[in-house]
Amino acid sequence: AAGVIQSPRHLIKEKRETATLKCYPIPRHDTVYWYQQGPGQDPQFLISFYEKMQSDKGSIPDRFSAQQFSDYHSELNMSSLELGDSALYFCASSPTNTEAFFGQGTRLTVV
Amino acid sequence: GENVEQHPSTLSVQEGDSAVIKCTYSDSASNYFPWYKQELGKRPQLIIDIRSNVGEKKDQRIAVTLNKTAKHFSLHITETQPEDSAVYFCAARPMEYGNKLVFGAGTILRVKS
Repeated sequence: AAGVIQSPRHLIKEKRETATLKCYPIPRHDTVYWYQQGPGQDPQFLISFYEKMQSDKGSIPDRFSAQQFSDYHSELNMSSLELGDSALYFCASSPTNTEAFFGQGTRLTVV
Repeated sequence: GENVEQHPSTLSVQEGDSAVIKCTYSDSASNYFPWYKQELGKRPQLIIDIRSNVGEKKDQRIAVTLNKTAKHFSLHITETQPEDSAVYFCAARPMEYGNKLVFGAGTILRVKS
C-alpha cells in the first residue's frame, strides 16, 4: 500500500539558509499535517491543511511557511534557518477524522 | 487547548511481563485517542486507537482502555517481547477545526530478555 512520501530524507543546511521539505500524502487523504520532533521530544504540531486550505496552525515560527498544491502534495518552507531548527520533520496524512499516517521524516541538520 | 500528560516516562519490564502506559487529557470534547510506537530515528507508527464512544479495544497483545469521565486512557501490552522496546506516544484529537493530534511526552519502554 502507498505510504506518505517525504523528501529529502536528510538535509544539511547552514545557518540563515533556506530549506524546502516536500510531502506526498497517501492518495485520497484529504488532510496533511506537519510535525517537528526534536531529539528525545514528542512531535510538535506545526500546521495542517484540509483539502488544500490551511486548517490549523500550531507552534510554527514566522520564518516557516507551508502550502498544499493542487495535486495534494505539500511543502514546508523554512527560511533564516537557526541551529535550533535541527530536528526530524514529519508529514502525516489522514482521511477526514480518522487515523493519521506518518511519513519517514526529513532529518534537518543546521550547521 | 488540549494538554496530554503521559506516564511513566520510562518503563522497564522483563520479557513476558505486561506493560501499562497511562495518559490523561484535558479537553473533555476530545474524541479520538491513538497510540503510536516509534523506534529510534524512525517514524511514529499507529499501533491502536480508540474513539470516545468505545471503552476498550483489543488487538492481539495490545489493548487500549478509555475512561471518559476521568479523562484518561491506557495502553496495555501483554506478553512483552524484546521487539516491543521503543518509544510509545499517546495522542488526543481535540474537537476543533483542524483535527490535529496533540501528543503526550512519550514513554521509553525497555523489554529485558
